[in-house]
Amino acid sequence: SQQGEEDPQALSIQEGENATMNCSYKTSINNLQWYRQNSGRGLVHLILIRSNEREKHSGRLRVTLDTSKKSSSLLITASRAADTASYFCATDAGRGSTLGRLYFGRGTQLTVWP
Amino acid sequence: NAGVMQNPRHLVRRRGQEARLRCSPMKGHSHVYWYRQLPEEGLKFMVYLQKENIIDESGMPKERFSAEFPKEGPSILRIQQVVRGDSAAYFCASSPRGLSYNEQFFGPGTRLTVL
Repeated sequence: SQQGEEDPQALSIQEGENATMNCSYKTSINNLQWYRQNSGRGLVHLILIRSNEREKHSGRLRVTLDTSKKSSSLLITASRAADTASYFCATDAGRGSTLGRLYFGRGTQLTVWP
Repeated sequence: NAGVMQNPRHLVRRRGQEARLRCSPMKGHSHVYWYRQLPEEGLKFMVYLQKENIIDESGMPKERFSAEFPKEGPSILRIQQVVRGDSAAYFCASSPRGLSYNEQFFGPGTRLTVL
């Protein structure tokens, strides 16, 4: 199975601190995406990183991808209480696979205390 | 530009009834994906459709579940004779092309509760 696995399962920090979440996957990919889900809501797309990219930034988000280790990390700098949510990584299944479908991990539940 | 719309947002059914979940993709998107999320779990792929075609239904249970995306109107995920284990959040996503490097835009989900 290609399903990604996020680590840690839960993370609790104070406002202003940085939060780092990791994702590992099993087979080759074309790209990896990070999504956020607030409790009881839909998913919001945060960032997409392609397999030939190593690092990408978007505002307070920084994503890295290490295809040799089949892992990615999401860093949220200067966290805010509003960042409290579940964060999921999603991968495709790489070359030769069915295009389009995404594989999600179980997510990291981030809690940011004011 | 409205996002992906799903309705109803909450649906309660008794065991044995049918559930119909609707999804209207973003304007200009012709590719629709359905995912199911159990409590405390990630999303699991169910089916990928284009207009009038099922492209990949490998994640769909073989019985009781069906999906369609007609030429006109929303995509429908239909669950017949629901059981308690069908209780979950069902999310629809759309993209302009069915390629893996396109981000998928998700709707707010339909939360199905089977009594």
